[in-house]
Amino acid sequence: SSELTQDPAVSVALGQTVTITCRGDNLRTYFANWYQQRPGQAPVLVIYGQNTRPSGIPDRFSGSRSGNTASLTITGTQAEDEADYYCQSRDTSEKRVFGGGTKLTVL
Amino acid sequence: QVQLRQWGAGLLTPSETLSLTCGVYGGSFSGYRWGWVRQTPEKGLEWIGEMIDGGYSNYNPSLKSRAAISMDRSKNQFSLSLTSVTAADTAVYYCVRLYTAAFDSWGQGTLVSVSS
Repeated sequence: SSELTQDPAVSVALGQTVTITCRGDNLRTYFANWYQQRPGQAPVLVIYGQNTRPSGIPDRFSGSRSGNTASLTITGTQAEDEADYYCQSRDTSEKRVFGGGTKLTVL
Repeated sequence: QVQLRQWGAGLLTPSETLSLTCGVYGGSFSGYRWGWVRQTPEKGLEWIGEMIDGGYSNYNPSLKSRAAISMDRSKNQFSLSLTSVTAADTAVYYCVRLYTAAFDSWGQGTLVSVSS
């Protein structure tokens, strides 16, 4: 299956560390990319490949992978990190697939 | 920093053809893959397809050949055509650039509603 599964919602206290996970068989072969989407805005790429941040993305965002699970970790979560987060990868036929998204609430 | 700006009709009736265009500003058009992603509350983000400068294209099989992407290199623009739309095609449509298999630039989004 090329599906990617994310928990619908996660919460974190301000200043703490949170990990958002993404599971899928194709993650054993391909890396996940991660996007942040604030209400009413287009998604923004925050992590791609093994663990690369595009220019302008704070270094509190990091990515990792183990087996069929990819993770996005935010260290020292800020109020502005409250958003929806989506993982994305591909399958063997180069079909791009997205996870269902995780709503991050900062308490 | 590349910017993508998109435009097109936002209200369609069933069976019409959706047509959206995306302009690429402030960056190179050549050597990248350009594509489209749509988003609905029910299905989330859905990849529609992509094309690379030179003509190679790849589409989501779920769209059953209704989607087609074209490029106008002279204008640094690319377009999406989606035929025989239904209410299920109501979504926010984004144009995107792909860099190392990630969507690194996004248009502002266009809400397309299909209703009789």
